Amino acid sequence: GEEVAQTPKHLVRGEGQKAKLYCAPIKGHSYVFWYQQVLKNEFKFLISFQNENVFDETGMPKERFSAKCLPNSPCSLEIQATKLEDSAVYFCASSRRDGYNSPLHFGNGTRLTVT
Amino acid sequence: AQRVTQPEKLLSVFKGAPVELKCNYSYSGSPELFWYVQYSRQRLQLLLRHISRESIKGFTADLNKGETSFHLKKPFAQEEDSAMYYCALGGTSGSRLTFGEGTQLTVNP
Repeated sequence: GEEVAQTPKHLVRGEGQKAKLYCAPIKGHSYVFWYQQVLKNEFKFLISFQNENVFDETGMPKERFSAKCLPNSPCSLEIQATKLEDSAVYFCASSRRDGYNSPLHFGNGTRLTVT
Repeated sequence: AQRVTQPEKLLSVFKGAPVELKCNYSYSGSPELFWYVQYSRQRLQLLLRHISRESIKGFTADLNKGETSFHLKKPFAQEEDSAMYYCALGGTSGSRLTFGEGTQLTVNP
């Protein structure tokens, strides 16, 4: 597709439950990024992929967070045993591999509310 | 370490007035700077990038390496420019973008 598609739009989980978010990057884009935005503040980088390989995971919390980008499937971000502080909007973005500074194309985000 | 600072969280101007959204960065390599905009209820989208040296919707931004700044400017603001603006710093293809905290611009009639 021509836009990054994120599902679901909204997700509500009780504390301790699992949350799984999905992202379909733009066709032909090699890189996928996940960002977390808490309370409309800055975007916190979580992880990026180059195709199905983890490219940069330095932003991922060591525990509870995992992500995958498998061939022919949407990418996913999973949070095991959610906590209240995980409440945020999670944005996915993709970019081409065309040299130095491919701009990121963002999805609409998934709003996760942990109660 | 990469860092982007947008000192103004809120900026309010009247229609037709000039507007400048400030952005300063910290980066040891050769920076790639971007401005992203998020209009109400829309996704974050690229406004412009310094390497293109183009003007989008009347906005321009010049990279000043001496002052480590990439301020966004428009000579005559319009009401439809009201949005959240994020300055972002990147590196090589595939590398993460580091975002500033954003500036909410409101253009009053």
